[in-house]
Amino acid sequence: QVQLHESGPGLVRPSETLSLTCTVSGASISGYYWSWLRQPAGKGLEWIGRIFTSENSNYHPSFKSRVIMSVDTSKNQFSLKLSSVTTADTAVYYCARVFGWELDYWGQGTLVTVSS
Amino acid sequence: EIVLTQSPGSLSLSPGERATLSCRTSQTVNSRYLAWYQQKPGQAPRLLIYGTSTRATGVPDRFSGSGSGTDFTLTISRLEPEDFAVYYCQQYDNSPAYTFAQGTKLEI
Repeated sequence: QVQLHESGPGLVRPSETLSLTCTVSGASISGYYWSWLRQPAGKGLEWIGRIFTSENSNYHPSFKSRVIMSVDTSKNQFSLKLSSVTTADTAVYYCARVFGWELDYWGQGTLVTVSS
Repeated sequence: EIVLTQSPGSLSLSPGERATLSCRTSQTVNSRYLAWYQQKPGQAPRLLIYGTSTRATGVPDRFSGSGSGTDFTLTISRLEPEDFAVYYCQQYDNSPAYTFAQGTKLEI
């Protein structure tokens, strides 16, 4: 059974970099695209980007200037870095596996609050 | 960017009733690229339907999807208590790759 688990700081200061890691179990990270999404409290889902390998990724235009994703196949993990955060980046962040043209396995989500 | 709009925003029904949720897209979408998710409070979204009408693994057959072009529908034939949740449609395109509608809240 494929499982994903997000980890990282729950509190980030404004202007700093949000860093999250998604650990995948039950499947090899190789051979799939993996995505990050977020959901502000009480709002809908927003896709941030996806990664296949560290050289093959693409991002939502709204985040492109400040997001970097990477993959560590030795640890079966992939990561998100979002720089220059503001309070508008406060949200539950999800990692998910890309299956075809949709997302079939999701982590449980992790709340990241941007506050001084 | 293709914009997805769901209607209604909320829907109040009783167990045993039929639910019909609509998703409209601002441009024609390939039917292979349209999916539906269910999200319960405090949980991650769960893939229900992909390719407009294919149920994901383990999804009960009371859930069905249909549509084409710019109009898509999720139908729940007979509501069970565990079906009350928020439902999102999602489409795939070049950029951004994945966009979601604002959701329909299905309430008892």
